[in-house]
Amino acid sequence: GENVEQHPSTLSVQEGDSAVIKCTYSDSASNYFPWYKQELGKRPQLIIDIRSNVGEKKDQRIAVTLNKTAKHFSLHITETQPEDSAVYFCAASIKSGGYNKLIFGAGTRLAVHP
Amino acid sequence: SAVISQKPSRDICQRGTSLTIQCQVDSQVTMMFWYRQQPGQSLTLIATANQGSEATYESGFVIDKFPISRPNLTFSTLTVSNMSPEDSSIYLCSVAVPPYEQYFGPGTRLTVT
Repeated sequence: GENVEQHPSTLSVQEGDSAVIKCTYSDSASNYFPWYKQELGKRPQLIIDIRSNVGEKKDQRIAVTLNKTAKHFSLHITETQPEDSAVYFCAASIKSGGYNKLIFGAGTRLAVHP
Repeated sequence: SAVISQKPSRDICQRGTSLTIQCQVDSQVTMMFWYRQQPGQSLTLIATANQGSEATYESGFVIDKFPISRPNLTFSTLTVSNMSPEDSSIYLCSVAVPPYEQYFGPGTRLTVT
């Protein structure tokens, strides 16, 4: 079945630095790749997503890139701030019985130090 | 997106009992999903609930343990039956906004003693 691997599991950066989180997926039919941010005790929040017909998408300080040939996608956060500290999950969609479901990576705990 | 609520937000239950978790959304949605998030872990899909049909369970999850109802397009319930301490987790519902996006409810933190 579909598998999503996410690296690194933890990431520590200084405020103002950039952070990059990488994911690979196994199902070549996957065509939607969201990223979720989960703060402690809160629900996962969709922060950005990308579809397979696009190579890159940017929203202010965050961007996502997709390489369909290599089956990997990445989240880039620039000018990190302490409020970016959270667990980030990548996911890949798979088609199942006429609908799309998501398979999640293991998560990356990002710590941004002032 | 959609406004999603869950009840209860947390509960402490004794082993052998059952708990029903409710998920309410403020707009009609076709697909709702139930996830489990064990402490410090990722999100694992339990089942997909499509209004008007039986829920579809993922490998490792069975209807007898996690019965699901989906009586209308804005509501679903997940029951955790015959609980054991291993069932202690956060249970989250999510709704699908076509064609791909999913938004999560606030979760139910379950502790089984």
